[in-house]
Amino acid sequence: DQQVKQNSPSLSVQEGRISILNCDYTNSMFDYFLWYKKYPAEGPTFLISISSIKDKNEDGRFTVFLNKSAKHLSLHIVPSQPGDSAVYFCAASERGFKTIFGAGTRLFVKA
Amino acid sequence: GAVVSQHPSRVICKSGTSVKIECRSLDFQATTMFWYRQFPKQSLMLMATSNEGSKATYEQGVEKDKFLINHASLTLSTLTVTSAHPEDSSFYICSARDPGSSYNSPLHFGNGTRLTVT
Repeated sequence: DQQVKQNSPSLSVQEGRISILNCDYTNSMFDYFLWYKKYPAEGPTFLISISSIKDKNEDGRFTVFLNKSAKHLSLHIVPSQPGDSAVYFCAASERGFKTIFGAGTRLFVKA
Repeated sequence: GAVVSQHPSRVICKSGTSVKIECRSLDFQATTMFWYRQFPKQSLMLMATSNEGSKATYEQGVEKDKFLINHASLTLSTLTVTSAHPEDSSFYICSARDPGSSYNSPLHFGNGTRLTVT
């Protein structure tokens, strides 16, 4: 049972444009959501997070939006840069217990 | 920031042998560490939660006798894949949460270990 789903395995975007990565979840008890970025042969690194009491969190070029009624969150990267090319994982946790990850979306930013 | 170091980064072993993977928190003490496994193009699957000084908590479907976890100190957790078989070939990653931070703080990950069983 996949509690966190990233239905797009890959996304290709032109440099300077907006990248939108989507994530859906099924567990309404999740109260904390995170996005991680991963390069090949490395562990994931934390990018940005959002608490369930908020609907938006922004950090520089990265913004995460949360729609609790739809159980959907998205990561917006604008403007996209070639260095943003990586695999992005959506993750969720309930009261700080185990963190559940989606399958990841591979982002390609073309120069 | 919090750093988690994992060793080795790659290991190739013969079927039937055992492999130990180490996970260290370098600049903080971690009472809890998490072991994940990733298959190609798939999600990070939580295998077990490693607890310092007590038994690990395994996720459903993970064989505790196959994947031995020892968390002997506040900075070291080890995962031993016993009697490895080709189907155990995977990418194993450990992580920890700085205990000084809030319970909802992000996980810090090691760089992972690519295990290949021939």
